[in-house]
Amino acid sequence: GQSLEQPSEVTAVEGAIVQINCTYQTSGFYGLSWYQQHDGGAPTFLSYNALDGLEETGRFSSFLSRSDSYGYLLLQELQMKDSASYFCAVLSGYSTLTFGKGTMLLVSP
Amino acid sequence: DTEVTQTPKHLVMGMTNKKSLKCEQHMGHRAMYWYKQKAKKPPELMFVYSYEKLSINESVPSRFSPECPNSSLLNLHLHALQPEDSALYLCASSQTSASSTDTQYFGPGTRLTVL
Repeated sequence: GQSLEQPSEVTAVEGAIVQINCTYQTSGFYGLSWYQQHDGGAPTFLSYNALDGLEETGRFSSFLSRSDSYGYLLLQELQMKDSASYFCAVLSGYSTLTFGKGTMLLVSP
Repeated sequence: DTEVTQTPKHLVMGMTNKKSLKCEQHMGHRAMYWYKQKAKKPPELMFVYSYEKLSINESVPSRFSPECPNSSLLNLHLHALQPEDSALYLCASSQTSASSTDTQYFGPGTRLTVL
């Protein structure tokens, strides 16, 4: 089976940096994706790591260590609009995407 | 353009009704997905279509019936639903379903309420 662990909630202030960790246990692993979902909205793709290392996209970066079954999403220069739920998701065989339970990020002024 | 569209946005139906959810993408993607998401929970995979053929059915009850009329369209037919089926139903698409780099793009979802 698939199992992903991420914190349920993280709080931070505007302008700060926050890291959301994700550990996984899966049978079959192609890569780790991150999605953002605002309340009432659809999941929006943020990043994907298939290989070890850091991927940077603007204010967001994502890291993967396959040997440690661990990844994280790093959000810099936080803005109020970043308040949302963030899901890590493992991509395994036949594009089966299994989501973690989600981390609610609350950004305060 | 990474747009997946879904209609309707909201749907209220009784337990004896028959309704359909629709999903469309024009990105040339050949894999399409249905997910169910309950409040404060992650999306859960229901069905995967690859090249218009059903490739994965995650043990979904038969009151949910998917259909893929062509490579751009995906339907979910609903019949005799239960109140616990109330949820956000998300459609997604990706280039294929057999690549290690495919990204799934989600539509805005249909919020379904079963009375």
